[in-house]
Amino acid sequence: GEDVEQSLFLSVREGDSSVINCTYTDSSSTYLYWYKQEPGAGLQLLTYIFSNMDMKQDQRLTVLLNKKDKHLSLRIADTQTGDSAIYFCAERPNDYKLSFGAGTTVTVRA
Amino acid sequence: EAGVVQSPRYKIIEKKQPVAFWCNPISGHNTLYWYLQNLGQGPELLIRYENEEAVDDSQLPKDRFSAERLKGVDSTLKIQPAELGDSAVYLCASSLGETETQYFGPGTRLLVL
Repeated sequence: GEDVEQSLFLSVREGDSSVINCTYTDSSSTYLYWYKQEPGAGLQLLTYIFSNMDMKQDQRLTVLLNKKDKHLSLRIADTQTGDSAIYFCAERPNDYKLSFGAGTTVTVRA
Repeated sequence: EAGVVQSPRYKIIEKKQPVAFWCNPISGHNTLYWYLQNLGQGPELLIRYENEEAVDDSQLPKDRFSAERLKGVDSTLKIQPAELGDSAVYLCASSLGETETQYFGPGTRLLVL
């Protein structure tokens, strides 16, 4: 069972923006992470945000954090076919343990 | 800089057989983690090492699973005997310290027949 919840699937047209949403439960989480997993591969760290921030931008990636609602989102601008993967949201409370969502499978169609 | 290395990448065994997975963390990373990822789910922590000490093995099924990190660098995770339900991806991760960002290896995909 997961304390972090994500929608399971997202289909997006190439060139459009993708928005992946996540809700978490532990208000003491200091860091929140987005990882990407391509087929047959491990988890690749995409980006993270510290809990005292509400937005972080890194090239095509924008992370928005709403602490009041415990809501995290990842926006991918100009989505490409190489962005097709499973995206995991993870929270980290004050200790070391990462708690992952079940992942959102993003499919980019031409 | 080399990432986390795991081997083998794939393993197929029959139930009741033993199996071992190996992990080499990023150089200088003191903290090493083993995660289990079932199909369609996120990773779940099995065990965490600080150097050679297992500081959290509360989620490791100790009746059949064991792990070691003898010199505080490489680590092995063993299952003996394997069961059908152990079919999953076993991920190793490392970090500079317990509060630092975790970096994952490619995983070992285990299929138990």
